[in-house]
Amino acid sequence: DAGITQSPRYKITETGRQVTLMCHQTWSHSYMFWYRQDLGHGLRLIYYSAAADITDKGEVPDGYVVSRSKTENFPLTLESATRSQTSVYFCASTRLMTGANSPLHFGNGTRLTVT
Amino acid sequence: DAKTTQPNSMESNEEEPVHLPCNHSTISGTDYIHWYRQLPSQGPEYVIHGLTSNVNNRMASLAIAEDRKSSTLILHRATLRDAAVYYCAWLTDSWGKFQFGAGTQVVVTP
Repeated sequence: DAGITQSPRYKITETGRQVTLMCHQTWSHSYMFWYRQDLGHGLRLIYYSAAADITDKGEVPDGYVVSRSKTENFPLTLESATRSQTSVYFCASTRLMTGANSPLHFGNGTRLTVT
Repeated sequence: DAKTTQPNSMESNEEEPVHLPCNHSTISGTDYIHWYRQLPSQGPEYVIHGLTSNVNNRMASLAIAEDRKSSTLILHRATLRDAAVYYCAWLTDSWGKFQFGAGTQVVVTP
């Protein structure tokens, strides 16, 4: 089915471990985003990508790494997980960015708990 | 600084209209205003977006103030399935950063 899928849906990891969250979209959208959602902070942008091999930092990038070798995939890696990275992570994609005349499509999220 | 403000919550009876306001006083003249809603344990879902004039789709209507400093999402006949958090959002720079409001929790009473 067409859409945007995230995996895993739930993840528990220990402090200091590396963990990768996956995001895959089937629309061939150019732009992809990673957000985290925490109570009291709403949706905050971690990283975004305008195309394959083009990525840039968002509002809260520290402790995260992204890559985008293929248009359809945009994995997010926590190199050494910390408890403050416990959150719900959402991936999103959109076709165009000029003036934002195109909706964002979100995945269903990954709930990450760092113990 | 870019800022988007929304009321924390709104309550409505089933089958009645719901008007959700959003203030976005620093939006540029060429950026679209978006609305999303989020059901529990799901990702945000697109509702509607517009630039200057009012917009309608099967989910809702969007009324945009003439000065574009505010907008109102209108759910014409609220149902129990419309109970969600509604976010307004707009693009704050050309690199993809959307500014999301804190969201309005809509409660629909049977």
